[in-house]
Amino acid sequence: KAGVTQTPRYLIKTRGQQVTLSCSPISGHRSVSWYQQTPGQGLQFLFEYFSETQRNKGNFPGRFSGRQFSNSRSEMNVSTLELGDSALYLCASSLRGDREAFFGQGTRLTVV
Amino acid sequence: DQQVKQNSPSLSVQEGRISILNCDYTNSMFDYFLWYKKYPAEGPTFLISISSIKDKNEDGRFTVFLNKSAKHLSLHIVPSQPGDSAVYFCAASVGGTSYGKLTFGQGTILTVHP
Repeated sequence: KAGVTQTPRYLIKTRGQQVTLSCSPISGHRSVSWYQQTPGQGLQFLFEYFSETQRNKGNFPGRFSGRQFSNSRSEMNVSTLELGDSALYLCASSLRGDREAFFGQGTRLTVV
Repeated sequence: DQQVKQNSPSLSVQEGRISILNCDYTNSMFDYFLWYKKYPAEGPTFLISISSIKDKNEDGRFTVFLNKSAKHLSLHIVPSQPGDSAVYFCAASVGGTSYGKLTFGQGTILTVHP
């Protein structure tokens, strides 16, 4: 069974640009969550999607958005990038979003 | 407000001995707890979990203990192996309403020496 796949693995963007990250969950999993990991803040929850609906949202500005497609694949978008957005962005999938979550390898975003 | 805390930033253990990683939480609504292992530049790998209706769960070399009255959980690794060297995160969720949200501790770096 394939795991969670995130693309791309690495990205370098310039301040002010926007970026889209992609996540393909484990087959059969309908819940996809996104996290940001930075050295200072640790792993922080961004938002969760289930059946194409955002059910939960963390404490991040509106520049961070996401969506989920009918096949459960999810994308995350960050607009007007800031230097502080440099981080490892992780996607996790689970069956229903209430128990074990399985993470992808992450996308390392560097904003210059 | 850090609801899940791992107060030991690092732990060093000899191969073959026991590793004990600790985690404290403050939110009494948490009812499901998980441990993850993480290597640099990779995503966390799920290790073991425990529901609040239990006080112990075992899976091979890994055992998690939960003390609800103390709001404390621990992960025991026996015997420790050099391949266990990684960052370990504990995480917690509010069952039924967490909607995909795990609250993580800051992590403990475990180093197992041969």
